[in-house]
Amino acid sequence: NAGVTQTPKFRVLKTGQSMTLLCAQDMNHEYMYWYRQDPGMGLRLIHYSVGEGTTAKGEVPDGYNVSRLKKQNFLLGLESAAPSQTSVYFCASRRRTISDTQYFGPGTRLTVL
Amino acid sequence: KNQVEQSPQSLIILEGKNCTLQCNYTVSPFSNLRWYKQDTGRGPVSLTIMTFSENTKSNGRYTATLDADTKQSSLHITASQLSDSASYICVVSASKNSGYALNFGKGTSLLVTP
Repeated sequence: NAGVTQTPKFRVLKTGQSMTLLCAQDMNHEYMYWYRQDPGMGLRLIHYSVGEGTTAKGEVPDGYNVSRLKKQNFLLGLESAAPSQTSVYFCASRRRTISDTQYFGPGTRLTVL
Repeated sequence: KNQVEQSPQSLIILEGKNCTLQCNYTVSPFSNLRWYKQDTGRGPVSLTIMTFSENTKSNGRYTATLDADTKQSSLHITASQLSDSASYICVVSASKNSGYALNFGKGTSLLVTP
């Protein structure tokens, strides 16, 4: 099993450009998450999904959109990138039971100039 | 408001020494507490999980403790190795039916030096 994979690993954008980050998991997990991690801030939840076709806002959703058209994929979109969105983005997934481990992807480092 | 506070923010120790990281939380209702290890440039990896009824859990040289009364947890690392250099994150789950109930601490950055 590959676990949780993220594409791309690195990206540099100019302000106003758009892009989509792809997260894929092969563990048949119901729940998927997108986080951003900034120095001194810890991990902050952007959006999450409890199943195919459903998404919900997290702590810092502004400027991002998500879609979960297939159970194994969770996409994070930036419609008009801003320098404040420079961060490392992590995707995670877990099974439905709250005691189950959350598995994280390797991260995507995004820089917005 | 649910909060998770970790201390110290950063720590430097010599290889072979022991250390203890702290986590205080105000999360209700409490479900479980996890410690994650995050190597530089990688995603976090779960080390231990403890529920309300458990007060200690070990994973090799890592031992986590939980005091549900005082809402405190610690992660003790024994005989540290250079590979222990990482950020250690405390995550406390609240019992709720929605898909998101995780509260993250900001992490303790540990550096083990030769």
